[in-house]
Amino acid sequence: NAGVMQNPRHLVRRRGQEARLRCSPMKGHSHVYWYRQLPEEGLKFMVYLQKENIIDESGMPKERFSAEFPKEGPSILRIQQVVRGDSAAYFCASSPPGARTEAFFGQGTRLTVV
Amino acid sequence: GIQVEQSPPDLILQEGANSTLRCNFSDSVNNLQWFHQNPWGQLINLFYIPSGTKQNGRLSATTVATERYSLLYISSSQTTDSGVYFCAVVSYTGANSKLTFGKGITLSVRP
Repeated sequence: NAGVMQNPRHLVRRRGQEARLRCSPMKGHSHVYWYRQLPEEGLKFMVYLQKENIIDESGMPKERFSAEFPKEGPSILRIQQVVRGDSAAYFCASSPPGARTEAFFGQGTRLTVV
Repeated sequence: GIQVEQSPPDLILQEGANSTLRCNFSDSVNNLQWFHQNPWGQLINLFYIPSGTKQNGRLSATTVATERYSLLYISSSQTTDSGVYFCAVVSYTGANSKLTFGKGITLSVRP
C-alpha cells in the first residue's frame, strides 16, 4: 500500500509564475489536508478537502491560493503569481473518514521562489 | 482554537541517554499524534495516541487526556533520533479533523 505521494519534491519558480503541487492520498483515504511549513517553524493548516468538496479553507491566504480534490486524480494546491514569501515546504496528509483517525503525510514539496 | 505547547524547545543528549518530551494542549482532543521530522524533512508517524500508553521499540508515549498532556519517552537515544519532534492534535470541539501542531522540539543526539 503506497503512502501519500506528493510531486514534485522540489519546485523552483520565478516571481510571478504559477506553482502547482500535487498530492495523491493513500488508498482508501478520502480526506486530504494541506499544510505549510516555513523555515524553522511548525506546520500550519491551510485547507481540508474531500472529493469534490472544500470542507475548511480557513488557513488559506485570501488571494492567489486555491485547492481542489477532483473526483478523479490527485489533489492540487495552486499558487498563482508566486512571491518570495511563498517559499516553504508544503505537506499533504490524508486520512480515512472520521475525527478519530490517524493522518499520514507525504514527503512534501519544497517550493523556492527566485 | 486549540493551543499546543511543547517543551523543552531544544534538547541535546549524549548517545545512550534517555529523554522525555512534553506536549500540553488547551482543550479536549479527539486525536493526538507524535511525529518525527528527520534532517531530510520527512514527517514520520511515531504514535497515534489520543489516550493511554503505547510502546514501539525504544520509544513510548503516554497521553493523559483528562489532564491535557502527552509525553514521548526516548530511551537509549541514538544519533538517528536527531531531528524535530512534533505533537499534533485534533480538537474535540473543532468543526473537523484538521491537525493543530505544536512548534516542535529540536533534539540533537551527539555520539
